[in-house]
Amino acid sequence: GENVEQHPSTLSVQEGDSAVIKCTYSDSASNYFPWYKQELGKGPQLIIDIRSNVGEKKDQRIAVTLNKTAKHFSLHITETQPEDSAVYFCAASIINNNDMRFGAGTRLTVKP
Amino acid sequence: KAGVTQTPRYLIKTRGQQVTLSCSPISGHRSVSWYQQTPGQGLQFLFEYFSETQRNKGNFPGRFSGRQFSNSRSEMNVSTLELGDSALYLCASSGQLDDEQYFGPGTRLTVT
Repeated sequence: GENVEQHPSTLSVQEGDSAVIKCTYSDSASNYFPWYKQELGKGPQLIIDIRSNVGEKKDQRIAVTLNKTAKHFSLHITETQPEDSAVYFCAASIINNNDMRFGAGTRLTVKP
Repeated sequence: KAGVTQTPRYLIKTRGQQVTLSCSPISGHRSVSWYQQTPGQGLQFLFEYFSETQRNKGNFPGRFSGRQFSNSRSEMNVSTLELGDSALYLCASSGQLDDEQYFGPGTRLTVT
């Protein structure tokens, strides 16, 4: 089955700096890669996703890149703000199969 | 549009008891997936229901079961509770773009 690894487990950056979180996956059949943000006491919130037919997707300060050959994908947050502080999860699945496998999470802290 | 709702939000049960958790998906969504989140194991897929049928199942014992009603609302049941079942149980619903999953706030279950 699919195995998703996520690094780093914790990340601390200064406000305004960029943050990068990386994930690798094992199942070459996976073709859907979402990223979730989870704040304390809340469920994960979908912030961006990418499908395997594209290599990069951007939404304002957030971007995701995908390298299918190397089986890794990354989340990039630019101009970080204190409200970006949360736990971020990457995930992988096959489109139309909702058995989603998650990474272990990255706790991002943005210092003002 | 209202988001995914889960009830109850918090629950305390004793070992050996059984529990039923409820999830109401986003209006129009027909797929509901359930996940267990613990500090040690992270987010793990339990099962998915679509049009009242279980479509996918994770690697959990038979004590964990679920069902979906004709209005797409779903329930999950855990019988003969164990201490290790203490976790945040999350449900997520998917709609037209079947791969995008939106999570509810979760039910925090504590087994004593």
